[in-house]
Amino acid sequence: GDSVTQMEGPVTLSEEAFLTINCTYTATGYPSLFWYVQYPGEGLQLLLKATKADDKGSNKGFEATYRKETTSFHLEKGSVQVSDSAVYFCALTGSNFGNEKLTFGTGTRLTIIP
Amino acid sequence: EPEVTQTPSHQVTQMGQEVILRCVPISNHLYFYWYRQILGQKVEFLVSFYNNEISEKSEIFDDQFSVERPDGSNFTLKIRSTKLEDSAMYFCASSGNLGNEKLFFGSGTQLSVL
Repeated sequence: GDSVTQMEGPVTLSEEAFLTINCTYTATGYPSLFWYVQYPGEGLQLLLKATKADDKGSNKGFEATYRKETTSFHLEKGSVQVSDSAVYFCALTGSNFGNEKLTFGTGTRLTIIP
Repeated sequence: EPEVTQTPSHQVTQMGQEVILRCVPISNHLYFYWYRQILGQKVEFLVSFYNNEISEKSEIFDDQFSVERPDGSNFTLKIRSTKLEDSAMYFCASSGNLGNEKLFFGSGTQLSVL
């Protein structure tokens, strides 16, 4: 079945550092790929997505590129801020039309220190 | 932005007791979901619900689980006889359109079974 493997945390970085959180997936066909973020005390929020190979999703300075050849969707940000401290989840939906079920990774807790 | 609301935020119960977790999805949404995350593990799909019936469920969603939309606003998850291994964070989500991949998540209910 479909699965998502993401970098284990926790990750601690200084403000303005470069961030990479790795995510790889296993799926049949052409899944859509997502990054969700959970800030303290809040629900999961969609951060960005990509629906086909070589697409780049971006939002709030974060980027991720759908790499079918390496089955990866790594999350990057050039200069992190304290407000980026949260748990980040990589996820996918299956390729079947209407298959909206999300398969998640374990989540990576990111802490940014001033 | 509209929100999915979950109550309670924390629920403690004794093994064997019934619990009902409550969710108020976004008002014009048609598709409803429950996910859960056991501490340190992946966020797992439990069930999806549309047009007053279950559209998909996972292996986890056995006879001890049920969902209901008792009125026009609430969406509940009932666990009939809780087990220790049911301890997890339970997330409700809703979406407006099949194929619209943006799910709106609530902030979760932390269920602890003692």
